[in-house]
Amino acid sequence: GENVEQHPSTLSVQEGDSAVIKCTYSDSASNYFPWYKQELGKRPQLIIDIRSNVGEKKDQRIAVTLNKTAKHFSLHITETQPEDSAVYFCAALEGNTPLVFGKGTRLSVIA
Amino acid sequence: NAGVTQTPKFRVLKTGQSMTLLCAQDMNHEYMYWYRQDPGMGLRLIHYSVGEGTTAKGEVPDGYNVSRLKKQNFLLGLESAAPSQTSVYFCASRHPGGELFFGEGSRLTVL
Repeated sequence: GENVEQHPSTLSVQEGDSAVIKCTYSDSASNYFPWYKQELGKRPQLIIDIRSNVGEKKDQRIAVTLNKTAKHFSLHITETQPEDSAVYFCAALEGNTPLVFGKGTRLSVIA
Repeated sequence: NAGVTQTPKFRVLKTGQSMTLLCAQDMNHEYMYWYRQDPGMGLRLIHYSVGEGTTAKGEVPDGYNVSRLKKQNFLLGLESAAPSQTSVYFCASRHPGGELFFGEGSRLTVL
């Protein structure tokens, strides 16, 4: 089955700097790659996703890139703000099988 | 439109007691999931359902049972609670496009 590895597990950046979180997946048939943000004590919520027919997607300060050949995808957050502090999860999906999550990255933005 | 609702939000059990967590969604989604979240372990899939009357095992199904008698409801049962089942439980339903919508979570403590 699918296996998703996520790095780093923790990340600290200065406010205004960029943050990058990387994930790799094992199943070449996976075709949907979402990113979820979970603030402390809250539920995970989708912030951006990308499908296998697209190499990059951007939404304001966040972007996701996908390299199907290497089977990895990354989340990029620019001009980080304190409210970006949270745990971020990547995930991969193939067809109708359950979403497989990475173990998460705790991002701390230091003001 | 409430989305995904979980009850109860908090519960304390003694070892050996039983309980049921209820998840209800009003988005007419076919797929529903139960995850548990423990520190450093990310979101681990317990059981899932691809439609009314169906259930399937996830990554960590032991000690749990589920039922999906109605499309909008997905119940998670613990027949004989153990301290290892102390966790935060999240229910989610899946939009046909792939996005998961999570409930607020249920914090369970087993003494």
